Amino acid sequence: GQNIDQPTEMTATEGAIVQINCTYQTSGFNGLFWYQQHAGEAPTFLSYNVLDGLEEKGRFSSFLSRSKGYSYLLLKELQMKDSASYLCAVTDSNYQLIWGAGTKLIIKP
Amino acid sequence: IAGITQAPTSQILAAGRRMTLRCTQDMRHNAMYWYRQDLGLGLRLIHYSNTAGTTGKGEVPDGYSVSRANTDDFPLTLASAVPSQTSVYFCASSQREGSYNEQFFGPGTRLTVL
Repeated sequence: GQNIDQPTEMTATEGAIVQINCTYQTSGFNGLFWYQQHAGEAPTFLSYNVLDGLEEKGRFSSFLSRSKGYSYLLLKELQMKDSASYLCAVTDSNYQLIWGAGTKLIIKP
Repeated sequence: IAGITQAPTSQILAAGRRMTLRCTQDMRHNAMYWYRQDLGLGLRLIHYSNTAGTTGKGEVPDGYSVSRANTDDFPLTLASAVPSQTSVYFCASSQREGSYNEQFFGPGTRLTVL
């Protein structure tokens, strides 16, 4: 079967750094997405990795290791507005997105 | 219209009633999707359409039907609603180009079936 695992919830302090991990087992792999979802809102695109390595975009970075079936999202200089759920999604062999349940990130002052 | 719109925003529905959730996009994307999102579970694909005139079943299609008469619209119909269909429903679209499938989401419809 297809499976994507993320921690259910994480807590971090404003100004700090947090790493959200995602492991996956899917039928085929054609890229991995990270989305951000604020409570009561729609998911919005954050990053995309298809090759191994680190993609950096401002305060957010995403890493991928295809051989390990592993990715992480790194958030630096945390702000209160970063409190949200972070969704990991893998594009499978049918080019459909398989979604993890999401990690709820709580930022404390 | 900018992006994807969904209607209604929320709805309370009696079990057994028929309901159509509407979704319209103005980005001329070829692919569209319907997901449901339940607490503790990831987004689960109900139905999808890779191009106008075609549809396919996702992970949880039972009790739902879709149509794609044109590029912009992708309505989702619950023929006879049941309480287990209480959920938040998101419509999404993407411009499928090869393996890249970044999806853009509508604001969602919160549906309660009593």
